[in-house]
Amino acid sequence: KAGVTQTPRYLIKTRGQQVTLSCSPISGHRSVSWYQQTPGQGLQFLFEYFSETQRNKGNFPGRFSGRQFSNSRSEMNVSTLELGDSALYLCASSRAMVGSGANVLTFGAGSRLTVL
Amino acid sequence: AQSVTQLDSHVSVSEGTPVLLRCNYSSSYSPSLFWYVQHPNKGLQLLLKYTSAATLVKGINGFEAEFKKSETSFHLTKPSAHMSDAAEYFCVVSETSGTYKYIFGTGTRLKVLA
Repeated sequence: KAGVTQTPRYLIKTRGQQVTLSCSPISGHRSVSWYQQTPGQGLQFLFEYFSETQRNKGNFPGRFSGRQFSNSRSEMNVSTLELGDSALYLCASSRAMVGSGANVLTFGAGSRLTVL
Repeated sequence: AQSVTQLDSHVSVSEGTPVLLRCNYSSSYSPSLFWYVQHPNKGLQLLLKYTSAATLVKGINGFEAEFKKSETSFHLTKPSAHMSDAAEYFCVVSETSGTYKYIFGTGTRLKVLA
């Protein structure tokens, strides 16, 4: 059973550029969520998508956006990159079954973004 | 509102000695609780989960955690630490109300000394 796949694994950008990260969830998982992890701020929730709709959103500026496709694959985009956007971006998928409190998040290996 | 507090940012143990990583939570509803482990430059891996069944939960690699409602705690333990246990551990709370929101603790970095 394939896990959660994130691409690219590593990338380097310069300030002002934009970046798109991709996440392919486990087959059958309809929910995809994104997290930013930095040494200073820890793990912070960006947003969650379910059936192509953003269902939950964290406290990040509008430069951070995402979308989900009909096959549940998701992308996140960061525009006008800043040095502080350097981080490990983690994607997680789950079945998100209604009424179930134990929707286990399965994480990908992450995309490490460095902004110069 | 949910919250989770990991009481120690760093824990050091000697190989072969017990491990205790502490987690307290706050939740308005019946919570689901999880422990995840993250090895360097890797994603998070589920260790175990509590979902209102047995209060003592057994996970992978010999880890277990006990849900104590009266103390609002969900501490992670292992009888004997192994060098490969060195990693960062995250306690996570999610409400069963269907909001699908997960609150992560700030993490505890476990160091295992030879």
